[in-house]
Amino acid sequence: QVQLQESGPGLLKPSGTLSLTCAVSGDSISSNYWWSWIRQPPGKGLEWIGEIFSGTTKYNPSLESRVTIAVDKSRNQFSLILSSVTAADTAVYYCARKSRGELRSMEYWGQGTLVTVSS
Amino acid sequence: DIQLTQSPSFLSASVGDRVTITCRASQGISSYLAWYQQKPGKAPKLLIYGASNLQSGVPSRFSGSGSGTEFTLTISSLQPEDFATYYCQQLNSYPLTFGGGTKVEIK
Repeated sequence: QVQLQESGPGLLKPSGTLSLTCAVSGDSISSNYWWSWIRQPPGKGLEWIGEIFSGTTKYNPSLESRVTIAVDKSRNQFSLILSSVTAADTAVYYCARKSRGELRSMEYWGQGTLVTVSS
Repeated sequence: DIQLTQSPSFLSASVGDRVTITCRASQGISSYLAWYQQKPGKAPKLLIYGASNLQSGVPSRFSGSGSGTEFTLTISSLQPEDFATYYCQQLNSYPLTFGGGTKVEIK
C-alpha cells in the first residue's frame, strides 16, 4: 500500500531554512496525483502549504514568498523548503497524496514530523 | 480565499448518540469537500470525499451530505473510537483550506 514518510531536522534557529523530505513507497512520484504539504501548529488546526504535480506547483499565498516544493524522481520523494523561519513556523509538518478529478481528496498522509523554531 | 466555518467547535456526547457537524463555506464549492478525523498525535484520516462518498474501510455510521456552501458530517451512533477532532477541507479552489475543527469528547 501507499506510504509516506517525512524526514528532516526537528530543531531550527530563527531566520534559518526548513528543509523536509517526504519519501513515497507503494506508488510512483510520477503517478497521476498531487503531492502536498500541510502543517499544524501545536494545539491548532491544519494549514495547507502547497503541492506539486508534473512540475506544476501551487502554494498558499500566505507562504508563497518563502516556499519551494520539488520532486526528486530518482529517489521517489518530494521536498519542502521554507526560508526565513520564525517561531510561528513551529508545527507538525505532514506530507500527503491528493487525488485529482471530481472526487479529489487527501487519502494518504505521512505520520508527521515536528519542527521547532527556537534560538 | 474560501473560508470554512465548522460548528460546533466543541461537542460533548455519549456513546450511542447521533452527532452532526456542520461546515459552511464562504462561497460555493460544489461538492469538493472532504472530511477527516484526527486523533491526538496522529495524522488526519480521510472519512468522506466528494461531500458524500464514504472512504473505503470507514464504518457506515459515518455519512456526509451537502453541496454548494453547507455540508454536514453525521455519525449515526457514536462509538468510543470516534472521540476525536474532525476537520472539513475544501478542494474547489486554491488555496486549499480547512475548517477550524470540531472536537468530539465523551460526556
